[in-house]
Amino acid sequence: SAVISQKPSRDICQRGTSLTIQCQVDSQVTMMFWYRQQPGQSLTLIATANQGSEATYESGFVIDKFPISRPNLTFSTLTVSNMSPEDSSIYLCSVDGGSTEAFFGQGTRLTVV
Amino acid sequence: GDSVTQMEGPVTLSEEAFLTINCTYTATGYPSLFWYVQYPGEGLQLLLKATKADDKGSNKGFEATYRKETTSFHLEKGSVQVSDSAVYFCALADSNYQLIWGAGTKLIIKP
Repeated sequence: SAVISQKPSRDICQRGTSLTIQCQVDSQVTMMFWYRQQPGQSLTLIATANQGSEATYESGFVIDKFPISRPNLTFSTLTVSNMSPEDSSIYLCSVDGGSTEAFFGQGTRLTVV
Repeated sequence: GDSVTQMEGPVTLSEEAFLTINCTYTATGYPSLFWYVQYPGEGLQLLLKATKADDKGSNKGFEATYRKETTSFHLEKGSVQVSDSAVYFCALADSNYQLIWGAGTKLIIKP
């Protein structure tokens, strides 16, 4: 199993600013995933972060808007840049999904005003 | 591409009622199937899973059977409790081990 600490748990930000979300795992993992969960909707994968390489972004998400760092096997950050109210959402990090269990952080509830 | 469709919510039931939340999928190959649950104010957690046809996943009184012939993985519980109120997500792991998610079904159990 894996325990994921994600912070901040929530934030209210001004439009045009940036917020960096941190995800710390209690064990080394190869792949980390960043999701967005908009109100009343399902999870949408933003990107997959592997240590030592550039993150792989899904359609509709770009590095300039959502830069990701993965400096080691236990840590990753997602930055939401130049925020607008449309970025208001819950952001989740996850580790090692697939045929075995996926583990999630508790999420970051972001409100952009 | 692969996809997951689950019944829309909210689903509102009385305590001790029988629960079914439908989930069907479209996939190439033989995906693993999952139900995740998100309790109010908490993160997502795995409820149960099945990795091959005819497998039955079970946990906390919930069950789901991997039905390849109907491409379904319906979630059932014989007698729900107020504490089961949550959002339930059906998901599959595709050939690249990426999770594909259903839209989620909010379950409300009234005492």
